[in-house]
Amino acid sequence: GENVEQHPSTLSVQEGDSAVIKCTYSDSASNYFPWYKQELGKGPQLIIDIRSNVGEKKDQRIAVTLNKTAKHFSLHITETQPEDSAVYFCAASFSSGGYNKLIFGAGTRLAVHP
Amino acid sequence: NAGVMQNPRHLVRRRGQEARLRCSPMKGHSHVYWYRQLPEEGLKFMVYLQKENIIDESGMPKERFSAEFPKEGPSILRIQQVVRGDSAAYFCASSPQAGETQYFGPGTRLLVL
Repeated sequence: GENVEQHPSTLSVQEGDSAVIKCTYSDSASNYFPWYKQELGKGPQLIIDIRSNVGEKKDQRIAVTLNKTAKHFSLHITETQPEDSAVYFCAASFSSGGYNKLIFGAGTRLAVHP
Repeated sequence: NAGVMQNPRHLVRRRGQEARLRCSPMKGHSHVYWYRQLPEEGLKFMVYLQKENIIDESGMPKERFSAEFPKEGPSILRIQQVVRGDSAAYFCASSPQAGETQYFGPGTRLLVL
């Protein structure tokens, strides 16, 4: 069935280090993979997304890589800062009834320590 | 361009009462999605609507829950006869087309006493 697994569930890093969050998906037809950042008490905010026709996308300190063969994609945050502390969710699109539904991973709680 | 708006931001209800959650999508967006988030958990899809139509309600409980997106006005998620297990954050997202990027609102936090 439709499933997105996300690891790790919690991640603690020192300021300036890199953080990597990994997700796997079950449907080889999935073609859209967004990442969201959710701060305490707020709604999820899109930070980067990637479509299946590219293998990597970068936006300043954030990058996402996609391996379609292995059905996994990862979020990379370099030079982490305390304000990067939040819960991060990956998602993958699944075709359902003629439209693409987003299925979310369980989230990764990232803590960046000064 | 205002983002997705949800109200109320916080809602307290007693068991057995009704809860009405409202969502105004971003301007130009005609696709609305509702998600539920329990504390310390991920986002669970509930229902997907286009103007005046429910496209996919596979994630919404069959009883007590209903959703609508009328031609005019916001989308409404309605929970009748609330129970304590309904306490959660409910998020609405919108997109310009199906399969496009979804933009989330700030959520409504429902507490059932």
